[in-house]
Amino acid sequence: SYVPTQPPSMSVSPGQTATITCGGDNIASKSVHWYRQKPGQAPEVVIAYDTDRPSGIPERFSGSNYGDPAILTISRVEAGDEADYYCQVCDTSSGLVVFGGGTKLTVL
Amino acid sequence: EVQLAESGGDLVQPGKSLRLSCVGSGFSFDDYAMHWVRLGPGKGLEWVSGINWKSDMLGYADSVKGRFSISRDNAKNSLYLEMNSLTVEDTALYYCARDSSTGDNGLGGYYDRWGQGTQVIVSS
Repeated sequence: SYVPTQPPSMSVSPGQTATITCGGDNIASKSVHWYRQKPGQAPEVVIAYDTDRPSGIPERFSGSNYGDPAILTISRVEAGDEADYYCQVCDTSSGLVVFGGGTKLTVL
Repeated sequence: EVQLAESGGDLVQPGKSLRLSCVGSGFSFDDYAMHWVRLGPGKGLEWVSGINWKSDMLGYADSVKGRFSISRDNAKNSLYLEMNSLTVEDTALYYCARDSSTGDNGLGGYYDRWGQGTQVIVSS
């Protein structure tokens, strides 16, 4: 079965850039969505369809999917960015819908 | 305002059944595909099941295939998850989520609205 791989955790200092990866076979041919989830809250999409930033999400958030891995980049990290981040990989042709294991981002 | 409200979570014994419900409001429920996603204790998000607007496209995670059944009643703006043969591994907070895709665009959209979840605990 297809299981996207993410680093379990990472830590960055405020003002630096966080790069969260999502690895998977032939991932560039699939759609990747990114969500963040803070404790006690429902998940929220931050990047859709590899690169699209929904309204209300700061420009500091960006995504790319040129090949293994897909990447979520958070520039000028703030304390409020501390959360769990999940990639979701979808392939409509095969019916694939699966989340990565998640990455816990800690802001030092 | 778009809202999703889950209900039906409970403490149940292994092997038993449970039915979850999700009511949507503030949008045209029958325009959108809908999903169930769960968050287990100490685990990450897991997609459980999805259904398109006219219920002719269903999807299930391998971990629940054959045990869970998703359905919807557009007249009642409601989504359901029938869960049978529950195991301790099914213990989780179950979220209802709206797929951004409308019409005949399948189940591959991102989830733009989420409920607050309903807790299912499977324990003897």
